[in-house]
Amino acid sequence: GAGVSQSPSNKVTEKGKDVELRCDPISGHTALYWYRQRLGQGLEFLIYFQGNSAPDKSGLPSDRFSAERTGESVSTLTIQRTQQEDSAVYLCASSSPRGLGEQFFGPGTRLTVL
Amino acid sequence: GESVGLHLPTLSVQEGDNSIINCAYSNSASDYFIWYKQESGKGPQFIIDIRSNMDKRQGQRVTVLLNKTVKHLSLQIAATQPGDSAVYFCAENPNSGTYKYIFGTGTRLKVLA
Repeated sequence: GAGVSQSPSNKVTEKGKDVELRCDPISGHTALYWYRQRLGQGLEFLIYFQGNSAPDKSGLPSDRFSAERTGESVSTLTIQRTQQEDSAVYLCASSSPRGLGEQFFGPGTRLTVL
Repeated sequence: GESVGLHLPTLSVQEGDNSIINCAYSNSASDYFIWYKQESGKGPQFIIDIRSNMDKRQGQRVTVLLNKTVKHLSLQIAATQPGDSAVYFCAENPNSGTYKYIFGTGTRLKVLA
């Protein structure tokens, strides 16, 4: 019974390095979302995929952030030249093709930039 | 700008009492709202949702109330249990043409034994 999975669960990197975060959505879910959650704060929308297209990238904080998705499956969020302010938990969620409704979240990737 | 905020950052409730968590939203065009529960170290978990054509929706031990006049959303938890301790977020969909959600900062619910 697969839910949304994310890897790695924790990532520690040095400032200036690139990182890739992976999300495996629930099979059959066409919609996929990336959020960022800083410590003690709410979820900040980053990007939304419908299939492998991204109709809304408005939340990406800078051009150092990019995301792609293969078909209706795996998505990767890439952060280039990481900065300390990128430290956060990055959450992925997926939802069914029925439209608005419940988003199923993964456990997140905790990113620490030293 | 568009925002979803919460009135109380931390709420302490005695076990067995009812809890009420509040949320204010700013976009009058928002037509769909969700409450999520997030336990420590986990992703948010769906609790209940409500569309703007409704004022109230009930689930198991939870009720969501929507007051569109004052743009206010609340989550009521009946007979609060220790397992209810978590951070609760409201989220709004500000435009029915997109699937973008705006989340509030969250309220931490502490259940006292």
